Amino acid sequence: AQSVTQLDSQVPVFEEAPVELRCNYSSSVSVYLFWYVQYPNQGLQLLLKYLSGSTLVKGINGFEAEFNKSQTSFHLRKPSVHISDTAEYFCAVRPRARQAGSYQLTFGKGTKLSVIP
Amino acid sequence: EPEVTQTPSHQVTQMGQEVILRCVPISNHLYFYWYRQILGQKVEFLVSFYNNEISEKSEIFDDQFSVERPDGSNFTLKIRSTKLEDSAMYFCARLGLANNEQFFGPGTRLTVL
Repeated sequence: AQSVTQLDSQVPVFEEAPVELRCNYSSSVSVYLFWYVQYPNQGLQLLLKYLSGSTLVKGINGFEAEFNKSQTSFHLRKPSVHISDTAEYFCAVRPRARQAGSYQLTFGKGTKLSVIP
Repeated sequence: EPEVTQTPSHQVTQMGQEVILRCVPISNHLYFYWYRQILGQKVEFLVSFYNNEISEKSEIFDDQFSVERPDGSNFTLKIRSTKLEDSAMYFCARLGLANNEQFFGPGTRLTVL
């Protein structure tokens, strides 16, 4: 089984400042990692994913994340946030290999990013 | 890749009533999921559906829940006798072509009174 921990439930940040949203996971098998964003009153949109290869992955809207296997982390970063980045961000994992209980995503509790003008 | 659409966007029902939530894939896909998100909590897996059969389900998905694809297109989640604690956002998702990421619909907000 997998678990995902997002330690920060809320992160306020001033516009144009950098931000890092933390994600740590636990799994007995290799996983794929994802970040989803949920804007107010909307569904979940895929922001970026790590499947293999370079541990630094870039996503939409200027976000990037770095996979750190030794620390079992997948932190999300943006060098300069915009008001429109105000949303809730969810980290999620799923096993790499299809097996019993695979393919389903396990989500963290989410981090609400509030960008202050 | 295109996502899925869901109807209705908001459903209000009385406790004990049956509700059917619908998911309409834009193109032919075989692997679908239902998740729910109780207000203020994390997104939780309910059930996956592959090739017209349940593939796996969570402990949340008890006998009150059922899924089907009645016409080969729409993918439905039925809750037979709703409880107050069923109030949540329900998301449908489909597996991407590369079998890696999942694409979510906009969700249905279910309110049980």
